[in-house]
Amino acid sequence: EVQLVESGGGLVQPGRSLKLSCAASGFTFSDYNMAWVRQAPTKGLEWVASISYGGSNTHYGDSVKGRFTISRDNAKSTLYLQMDSLRSEDTATYYCARHGTGSGWYFDFWGPGTMVTVSS
Amino acid sequence: QITLTQQAESLWVSPGEKVSITCRASQSLLYTDGKHYLSWYQQRPGQTTKALIYHASIRTDGVPTRFIGSGSGTEFTLSIEDVQPEDIALYYCLQTLKKLLTFGSGTKLEIK
Repeated sequence: EVQLVESGGGLVQPGRSLKLSCAASGFTFSDYNMAWVRQAPTKGLEWVASISYGGSNTHYGDSVKGRFTISRDNAKSTLYLQMDSLRSEDTATYYCARHGTGSGWYFDFWGPGTMVTVSS
Repeated sequence: QITLTQQAESLWVSPGEKVSITCRASQSLLYTDGKHYLSWYQQRPGQTTKALIYHASIRTDGVPTRFIGSGSGTEFTLSIEDVQPEDIALYYCLQTLKKLLTFGSGTKLEIK
């Protein structure tokens, strides 16, 4: 069974950093492109970043480019999101999602999410 | 950046009825492989987000046949036939044609 479990969320002050993790199981992690998607309270979904299966290619949404870094450790089957220079507008639930293979890059599995609150 | 518009913020439906949720893209989502890079997702309270449809019309594993994806070019529809109480949720479309992925704003399905 595919499982994605995020961790590392919490309360952080504006301007500070936070690193999220997503532990994957139930599939060969190194075969799949992965992503982070976020959802601000009472708002819609926003794609944050994606990373290729080997980790060499990354893409970011405009709102986080230059501040967030997506990475992965295939040996540990873990996806990361390093968030620097956090702003109040980064407050959201952050979801880890798997890109389907050979199927148009849609997100075929999602985690339950971890909440990040940026506030002084 | 491709903008996806889901005009209906919410839709009210009675159990057993059919409902259609629309998603309009600011440019065609048809790729050179002949496929549309548009997918649909369901968010139910307390549950993980679920993929319903990809390539505009292909149901993901285990999705009931009452969920039907259709459309082409810039206009797409998620139809739910014989709506069940468990279908009450938020529904989002997503385009993956361009590397800057974008979601629609979401449509909330509510029971009359």
